[in-house]
Amino acid sequence: NAGVTQTPKFQVLKTGQSMTLQCAQDMNHNSMYWYRQDPGMGLRLIYYSASEGTTDKGEVPNGYNVSRLNKREFSLRLESAAPSQTSVYFCASSVGANSGNTIYFGEGSWLTVV
Amino acid sequence: AQSVSQHNHHVILSEAASLELGCNYSYGGTVNLFWYVQYPGQHLQLLLKYFSGDPLVKGIKGFEAEFIKSKFSFNLRKPSVQWSDTAEYFCAVRFNNAGNMLTFGGGTRLMVKP
Repeated sequence: NAGVTQTPKFQVLKTGQSMTLQCAQDMNHNSMYWYRQDPGMGLRLIYYSASEGTTDKGEVPNGYNVSRLNKREFSLRLESAAPSQTSVYFCASSVGANSGNTIYFGEGSWLTVV
Repeated sequence: AQSVSQHNHHVILSEAASLELGCNYSYGGTVNLFWYVQYPGQHLQLLLKYFSGDPLVKGIKGFEAEFIKSKFSFNLRKPSVQWSDTAEYFCAVRFNNAGNMLTFGGGTRLMVKP
């Protein structure tokens, strides 16, 4: 049982390049999330998917797109990377979009945009 | 908008010292409260959570937190820290008008000197 797995772990991009962060969970969770972590700002929600087939914007969605490919997988795409998107990205999942569900996190993806 | 504040950004303690990390939120409605820990180079792990009932919650590794509704606070405590507690600690709140989204505080970096 791997939990939440995200790839790649490290990536360096040039400004304007595109890339996709992959995330998969094997806990049969309905809800999945993408957060970014920046020093002193905690984690901020980029996008989430309450259930398969739905996606919604979080607090900081600009510059990102997501795809809930199936129940297991939720990818995050940067179409044209900017230095402001240098951050650590965390994928997470929970049983469902009800109160009382603990959110489980992946190990993070370190992205640097130069 | 609802927010979560962690007033201590950096804390340095000697081993065996007592720890208290502050967490306050701005919202008068029902909340679920969490403390997560992130050890160096690792992903976030759940320390403890409060949904209802006894406002004093005990978590893993000897940590506890107390929900004081009148103060909108959920402070994390440990009577005697160890070097292995060196990590970043995040308070997170699920506000009942925000679905399953978590709002994180900015984090507190704890360094325990051996």
